Amino acid sequence: DSGVTQTPKHLITATGQRVTLRCSPRSGDLSVYWYQQSLDQGLQFLIQYYNGEERAKGNILERFSAQQFPDLHSELNLSSLELGDSALYFCASSRTMAFGNTIYFGEGSWLTVV
Amino acid sequence: GDSVTQMEGPVTLSEEAFLTINCTYTATGYPSLFWYVQYPGEGLQLLLKATKADDKGSNKGFEATYRKETTSFHLEKGSVQVSDSAVYFCALSDRDTGNQFYFGTGTSLTVIP
Repeated sequence: DSGVTQTPKHLITATGQRVTLRCSPRSGDLSVYWYQQSLDQGLQFLIQYYNGEERAKGNILERFSAQQFPDLHSELNLSSLELGDSALYFCASSRTMAFGNTIYFGEGSWLTVV
Repeated sequence: GDSVTQMEGPVTLSEEAFLTINCTYTATGYPSLFWYVQYPGEGLQLLLKATKADDKGSNKGFEATYRKETTSFHLEKGSVQVSDSAVYFCALSDRDTGNQFYFGTGTSLTVIP
């Protein structure tokens, strides 16, 4: 158990809908990362927050947005869902952004868009 | 930009065989290097890491040495077990890009009895 908690574990929704994925980082971790894992694209970095502020953006679509709240939990919002958004979404966290820092992954949220 | 290239899979080995998964990297700065493992149905877990040249990371019988001259961080294990069947990801974190993580595409390993 990495200490990173993600909910829901599984989600099935229809095209055009909106979903929210939630992540609680490890106790004391200030940085949260979101990744998308699909069979054809591999592990894609979406976005990173540090202590409530956005720090880096990767291949995140405009239909997707995220935020990190004062209690450090984070949410990833996916809207106008398409079939191609079906994937495993991981949250990861780290203590700081220091050199050599390790990031710890949650077990992921499986999203199926039908 | 920064990137990680690892050998294509899938890899299938018999139990007790020697394992090598190649990983090379490109980085603008001086990165830290990592191997993560993903067991079926689980998230990625840190397997080992190295933060400077010639450092050797090791864990659970796996080893990898940070080779700056060849920009490589190959994963090795002398004798694999069925329980090592998983997907292995090489990754780097580069101080010059704010310690962002860059992952390889993953290499699937299946160990057969």
